Amino acid sequence: QKEVEQNSGPLSVPEGAIASLNCTYSDRVSQSFFWYRQYSGKSPELIMSIYSNGDKEDGRFTAQLNKASQYVSLLIRDSQPSDSATYLCAVTDFTGANSKLTFGKGITLSVRP
Amino acid sequence: DTAVSQTPKYLVTQMGNDKSIKCEQNLGHDTMYWYKQDSKKFLKIMFSYNNKELIINETVPNRFSPKSPDKAHLNLHINSLELGDSAVYFCASSQGAGGPRNEQFFGPGTRLTVL
Repeated sequence: QKEVEQNSGPLSVPEGAIASLNCTYSDRVSQSFFWYRQYSGKSPELIMSIYSNGDKEDGRFTAQLNKASQYVSLLIRDSQPSDSATYLCAVTDFTGANSKLTFGKGITLSVRP
Repeated sequence: DTAVSQTPKYLVTQMGNDKSIKCEQNLGHDTMYWYKQDSKKFLKIMFSYNNKELIINETVPNRFSPKSPDKAHLNLHINSLELGDSAVYFCASSQGAGGPRNEQFFGPGTRLTVL
């Protein structure tokens, strides 16, 4: 049974700070990693995907992947109140048609003005 | 332009009733999914279809029956609704399955309340 663990929240940071969200996964064959943002009452929205070790930057977001340690993280620089949401880590593998996303339980981020 | 749409947005019904939720995507994707998000916000896959063929069927009660008339549509029919079925149901789609093609895009959700 694949497991995706996200560190317990909620996480509160002041505006302008760096928010660091972490995720670990149990299945070593996992190959694809995604971060989704979900505002209250809304649907999950894909914000980052990462497939190889290292960092991937997109605007204020940086995803970091370390397959040896089986963790993936999301850094949000210059956090804004509009970043306040639940962030879901999701993991999948390359096993073809029956590949599926396994989601973590999410961590709620609150950015204080 | 709505990429993944679902109807209805809200569904309130009595225990024992049968209801359906419809989903359509205009992204040209081959794979569609149904997820259930419970009150604790845990998002769990129920089914996936690839080009109208059932690919993933998680341990979901037989009362739930998905149907895909074509690769742009995936409907979910629920028989004999129970209190525990109350949740938000999300439809999603992706180009395919596996790897980067598994970047999934979600519909707005259907909040089902069973009384």
